[in-house]
Amino acid sequence: KQEVTQIPAALSVPEGENLVLNCSFTDSAIYNLQWFRQDPGKGLTSLLLIQSSQREQTSGRLNASLDKSSGRSTLYIAASQPGDSATYLCAVCLGWRGKLIFGQGTELSVKP
Amino acid sequence: EAQVTQNPRYLITVTGKKLTVTCSQNMNHEYMSWYRQDPGLGLRQIYYSMNVEVTDKGDVPEGYKVSRKEKRNFPLILESPSPNQTSLYFCASSLSTSGIDTQYFGPGTRLTVL
Repeated sequence: KQEVTQIPAALSVPEGENLVLNCSFTDSAIYNLQWFRQDPGKGLTSLLLIQSSQREQTSGRLNASLDKSSGRSTLYIAASQPGDSATYLCAVCLGWRGKLIFGQGTELSVKP
Repeated sequence: EAQVTQNPRYLITVTGKKLTVTCSQNMNHEYMSWYRQDPGLGLRQIYYSMNVEVTDKGDVPEGYKVSRKEKRNFPLILESPSPNQTSLYFCASSLSTSGIDTQYFGPGTRLTVL
């Protein structure tokens, strides 16, 4: 059974710091991995999608990496800002029926 | 604006009173699904639909029904809600039939069943 774990559960950093959020999964048979951001009252916003054949994806200050063989993904946020404060969720897609298995999330707080 | 909308956003009801949570997307997506989010359990898939008139169970379908009569709409029906269905519900959609590309989520519906 696929399990997704995110560590740490919460993280507080001063503005301007570069930071890394971690995601691990138990079964490497994934189709892709997606990172989402969840803001209170606003649902989930897709940040990055990495196909199983890819090693990384970048969007602005965000960079996500994937090491399928070791069951790990990281989300790197450069020069963090207070507006980055949110809960970050990673999810693995198991393929044909599009089901996402989510981690519990990392709650990020960026202090001005 | 491309989006997934859900209504209502907040709902308090009583045990046994049938309710429907609507979900609509304006992106012409083939795939739609419902998730519930609970503390300590995370997000879990309830039902999904790969096309009009094609629906199937996710991991936690008990107590829920869905229908997909039009591509854009995917309502979630609770025929006889119970307190253990108190949760935050999300609808999602994806372009491809298989749902393997980026999934777009609605803003959520917070349901309380007394």
